[in-house]
Amino acid sequence: QVQLVESGGGVVQPGRSLRLSCAASGFTFSSYGMHWVRQAPGKGLEWVAVIWYDGSNKYYADSVKGRFTISRDNSKNTLYLQMNSLRAEDTAVYYCAREGNYYDSRPAAAFDIWGQGTMVTVSS
Amino acid sequence: QSALTQPASVSGSPGQSITISCTGTSSDVGSYNLVSWYQQHPGKAPKLMIYEVSKRPSGVSNRFSGSKSGNTASLTISGLQAEDEADYYCCSYAGSRGVFGTGTKVTVL
Repeated sequence: QVQLVESGGGVVQPGRSLRLSCAASGFTFSSYGMHWVRQAPGKGLEWVAVIWYDGSNKYYADSVKGRFTISRDNSKNTLYLQMNSLRAEDTAVYYCAREGNYYDSRPAAAFDIWGQGTMVTVSS
Repeated sequence: QSALTQPASVSGSPGQSITISCTGTSSDVGSYNLVSWYQQHPGKAPKLMIYEVSKRPSGVSNRFSGSKSGNTASLTISGLQAEDEADYYCCSYAGSRGVFGTGTKVTVL
């Protein structure tokens, strides 16, 4: 079945780095744009980043630009999020999500498949 | 990019209809017919309920419907049921990015 499984979360000190992974199965991963979305404890959803199906374009929320890098390996059906210079406000559950719609060939921010999420806690 | 504005809570009795608003700007909601809605139960991942303002993915009940006027999108749940109690989020395309709403807690009385 179509599935996304995140991993790599944990407790990390402020200023350190962490890399999240999202393993895809049950669909042709290389044909889909992919996103990261996060949710701080007790808070709402926040869009983090998007990468096009072939990795040719990447966009970020202002809150993570310059610190986070989204990437993918289509040969391994895996999406990544490299998080550097982590701050307490980055503490959240991080979800990977598949793009379900396109606008002018661009991912249109409609997320049709979600992973179960991985928790990242930034604390000293 | 500021979050879209949703009411913090909406409630209704079983069988009733409720509507959740989602207000953005001319840079997001007002510029594109690309608003989606998500249902999230506690401790669970969000679920896509509506995309492109008013389209329902396969398997989503037709009790859920969406619309848009100007910079405001709306989600209507008709025939409210106990299982509809959850948090709901809108999301708009904003030029290669996404922006979510602040979220609305729906309570079934």
